[in-house]
Amino acid sequence: GAVVSQHPSRVICKSGTSVKIECRSLDFQATTMFWYRQFPKQSLMLMATSNEGSKATYEQGVEKDKFLINHASLTLSTLTVTSAHPEDSSFYICSARDLGGYTEAFFGQGTRLTVV
Amino acid sequence: DAKTTQPNSMESNEEEPVHLPCNHSTISGTDYIHWYRQLPSQGPEYVIHGLTSNVNNRMASLAIAEDRKSSTLILHRATLRDAAVYYCILQGAQKLVFGQGTRLTINP
Repeated sequence: GAVVSQHPSRVICKSGTSVKIECRSLDFQATTMFWYRQFPKQSLMLMATSNEGSKATYEQGVEKDKFLINHASLTLSTLTVTSAHPEDSSFYICSARDLGGYTEAFFGQGTRLTVV
Repeated sequence: DAKTTQPNSMESNEEEPVHLPCNHSTISGTDYIHWYRQLPSQGPEYVIHGLTSNVNNRMASLAIAEDRKSSTLILHRATLRDAAVYYCILQGAQKLVFGQGTRLTINP
């Protein structure tokens, strides 16, 4: 299947700083990418949907000024957690869809963010 | 988003078949049924999907009820590496919304 690469896989940052997570589709063009967060023992929670070249659509309750999403090209989307706090510590996962929209989604390996 | 219902957990023995059920009584005519699984500390992995007919691939089979209100993921011979959380998701619009999934435990 197609490959989605997410970087970094693990990051520790100080409270108040910002962290950027990259999501790349390596062998296909992704018009749409999704960002999820997952707390321990819980399911994935969709945070936002990003379409290449346009603004992201955020799910209800997700602060768009805190979680900045940029989808500048068909192979790269970034999530920046701004002014991170310990409660932002979580497992962040990106997903990408191929052109056409109705095929399976491919997921990155996830980024474990710890804010200290 | 159409909702799915799965058992919280299931247990099976190695090398035995596993049938993972999913109810989706509010499915619409254009919703595809997708299954993903997630191993610990990893992103989800695509397993299989279908619309109306049963589907087979190298990983699993998907049996879809005639009224499409339920489906079953079948692992023909479970291995220890199949221990994961399995998610049944309806995909109509672009986004995939995950339910709680079924945590599958495989006993050696």
